[in-house]
Parts: sequence; C-alpha cells; structure tokens
Amino acid sequence: GAVVSQHPSRVICKSGTSVKIECRSLDFQATTMFWYRQFPKKSLMLMATSNEGSKATYEQGVEKDKFLINHASLTLSTLTVTSAHPEDSSFYICSARDRDRGTATQYFGPGTRLTVL
Amino acid sequence: DAKTTQPTSMDCAEGRAANLPCNHSTISGNEYVYWYRQIHSQGPQYIIHGLKNNETNEMASLIITEDRKSSTLILPHATLRDTAVYYCIVLQYSSASKIIFGSGTRLSIRP
Repeated sequence: GAVVSQHPSRVICKSGTSVKIECRSLDFQATTMFWYRQFPKKSLMLMATSNEGSKATYEQGVEKDKFLINHASLTLSTLTVTSAHPEDSSFYICSARDRDRGTATQYFGPGTRLTVL
Repeated sequence: DAKTTQPTSMDCAEGRAANLPCNHSTISGNEYVYWYRQIHSQGPQYIIHGLKNNETNEMASLIITEDRKSSTLILPHATLRDTAVYYCIVLQYSSASKIIFGSGTRLSIRP
C-alpha cells in the first residue's frame, strides 16, 4: 500500500514551453501533497505544499507564478512549470500524506526528470 | 522542525549490519524520528519511524536512546541494494508538518 506515482518519468522540452507533471496517490487519499526539486548531488528542496481544494503554500524563494500547483482531487496534484528555461532542468519529486492513517508519514513518488533545452 | 546531525558518509561490508547514527538533541516531546532513504535517481523511500520505543519492521530496526537525543538505524544484513543516501528527520504529527531534508548519510555497501 501507500503508492505514489508520477507522470511523466522524464520529459525534454524546448525553452519557453510549459510542462505539466502529475502526482497521484494510487491506493490512498491525500489531502496534502508536497513538491520537491533536486539538483545533481544535492538534497531535496521543498518547493510547496499542496492542499486539496485550496491554494498551495510556497516556500520562500519559489515563484508561485512560475510553478503552478493544482490539487483538484484527493488523489491528484499537478505541477506546471511555466515558460521553462534551462535552469529549471531538475529532478522533481512529489510526496503525499495518507489522510486516513493518522501519522505524519509521507510517501514519495519516483520523480520526474525535466530537461529544458 | 528540530535539526538532525548525521555523518556525511559510511561504508559497510555486504552481509554485515549497517548502523547509521543520528543526533537530534533539540527534539521535542511530540516529535517523531523518521528515516527515509534515496537510492540514486529514485524518490525517497520510507523506512521506519518511532517516538520513544524501539521499532522494527521488515526493512530495519530503529533504536532511540532513553533521552531521545539520538537514534540509530540498523540494517541487519546489508546488501548492495542498500547503497543509498539515508535521511534522519524529526517530524511532528500535525496537518502543518512537512519534511525538510538535510544532507543525510551516504551509505556504501562493499562486496
């Protein structure tokens, strides 16, 4: 149980285009999901907290107009990187907390590798 | 969240027990100790968590000192597939809690 999927697993796009990444909790409902970014040889950096039915909360220094987050259902959150540039190339990882388990445990997706040319 | 301190790297022989230490001297009474690991190019994987009692599951054991200021994650029979970065995190159970990752311990298992 507690499986989180991401789609796509990797994407290559041209500079200036927008890319959408999906994060799904497959066997549980998640009122809260999180989005992280990881650069090579660095630790994961929290970008934002996504709450179902409300606006996301962004960490300091993360541009909310560039990284659009939508959490429209209890099993799906999306991250859209708008007008992507090469410096946005990174490994994007989501996580979700099981609403019904009553713990702080987060379960992570496999990640999406974004390359912007 | 309370800060944790872990060694930057460790290595262990395959088949032996890997003991990964973590210091969390400023942990508060309602914060749990969590362990995750990240294998290269994958998302982090939940391993185990505990509050004050020792815990064991199919992956590992977690030993928490009586004063809760430190803990040790034990992988009883390390295999090459256990090579990963291991993160020790303290986390309060609340709707606002979120995981902030430190640098973790890079564990290398040698054949």
